[in-house]
Amino acid sequence: DGGITQSPKYLFRKEGQNVTLSCEQNLNHDAMYWYRQDPGQGLRLIYYSQIVNDFQKGDIAEGYSVSREKKESFPLTVTSAQKNPTAFYLCASSIPRMGYEKLFFGSGTQLSVL
Amino acid sequence: SQQGEEDPQALSIQEGENATMNCSYKTSINNLQWYRQNSGRGLVHLILIRSNEREKHSGRLRVTLDTSKKSSSLLITASRAADTASYFCASHNNNDMRFGAGTRLTVKP
Repeated sequence: DGGITQSPKYLFRKEGQNVTLSCEQNLNHDAMYWYRQDPGQGLRLIYYSQIVNDFQKGDIAEGYSVSREKKESFPLTVTSAQKNPTAFYLCASSIPRMGYEKLFFGSGTQLSVL
Repeated sequence: SQQGEEDPQALSIQEGENATMNCSYKTSINNLQWYRQNSGRGLVHLILIRSNEREKHSGRLRVTLDTSKKSSSLLITASRAADTASYFCASHNNNDMRFGAGTRLTVKP
């Protein structure tokens, strides 16, 4: 089945620890995105990547890092510099075309601080 | 910062009734999209309306777009308990996609 797989579904971070969230897609999409969702709020863009080996900061990139070494994979690292990491993290992908950009989402990772 | 805002924040209706959700956005757009999210899950794309379109239908969904007012509405007709979810609008402008805070819809059987 084609789709986006996020893992793990639940993740716990200790104080001062870096953690990495996995996002893999087999849709052959060029663009991938990471969003953060806080309870009762909309999605805020952390990072996005339009092509392999290239990525740009979104609105709330501080305390996060990403890599895009393969088209299929876009892992997100939540560093110890992110002081309020508890949130639901969503990965998405799309085929960028002028005027049309439908996002396909993974099922999310809930990150909590111990 | 959020581009769009949905109204109302929460909506509770009986099965069979229609549900209307509104969305406002701030800048010019290429298109506006609506997504659905079940609790604890990812978002699912429902419908896309282009900036030069005024109305679009898909099954029980009807979307309108008023670019002069920078607003859109989503109508779900003959609602079902399975429609219970959060609904988000997303305004797309070139490489920028902005999501609103969503409307939480509850459909009571």
